[in-house]
Amino acid sequence: EAGVTQSPTHLIKTRGQQATLRCSPISGHTSVYWYQQALGLGLQFLLWYDEGEERNRGNFPPRFSGRQFPNYSSELNVNALELEDSALYLCASSLGQGVTEAFFGQGTRLTVV
Amino acid sequence: SQQGEEDPQALSIQEGENATMNCSYKTSINNLQWYRQNSGRGLVHLILIRSNEREKHSGRLRVTLDTSKKSSSLLITASRAADTASYFCATDAGGKDSWGKLQFGAGTQVVVTP
Repeated sequence: EAGVTQSPTHLIKTRGQQATLRCSPISGHTSVYWYQQALGLGLQFLLWYDEGEERNRGNFPPRFSGRQFPNYSSELNVNALELEDSALYLCASSLGQGVTEAFFGQGTRLTVV
Repeated sequence: SQQGEEDPQALSIQEGENATMNCSYKTSINNLQWYRQNSGRGLVHLILIRSNEREKHSGRLRVTLDTSKKSSSLLITASRAADTASYFCATDAGGKDSWGKLQFGAGTQVVVTP
């Protein structure tokens, strides 16, 4: 069974541009979560989607947004990129609402130059 | 802010030794999970322990949970070089504001030397 897959693995963008990160959950999982792991800041919760709806978001500005598609895959969009957005972005999925066991993908390393 | 805090920050041991790391958290929780991360890549789920459980085993891993002290420990027995990684605890606090949110500690960096 395939795990959580994220693409691309690496992404380099210029300040002010937009970045789109993609995530495919484990088959049968309806909840998708996004986390940011920036150097020195640890893992910070970004967004939670379940059944196509945004259910909760962390303390991030509105330029961090996303969506979940009918097949439960998800996109994270970061607009007006800033240098501090450089981080590893991790996607996780789980069964149903809320957090049961959450399984993570390998992440997308976003570098803003 | 971090809900969980791991202790120690770093741990260096030799193959065959046991590694113990602790996690403390601040609010009541539904469950606590432990994860491993190799070289800044994805997180590997190790074990979940629910708030009504006190101890759980998985292979060479043993996790304990003391909700009265708001703390958990992860023991890795007979460590191997492949166990070299960062280990994180993550709590699910429950409550509407915490829906879907795992709060992670800063992690314990474990180095196992042959």
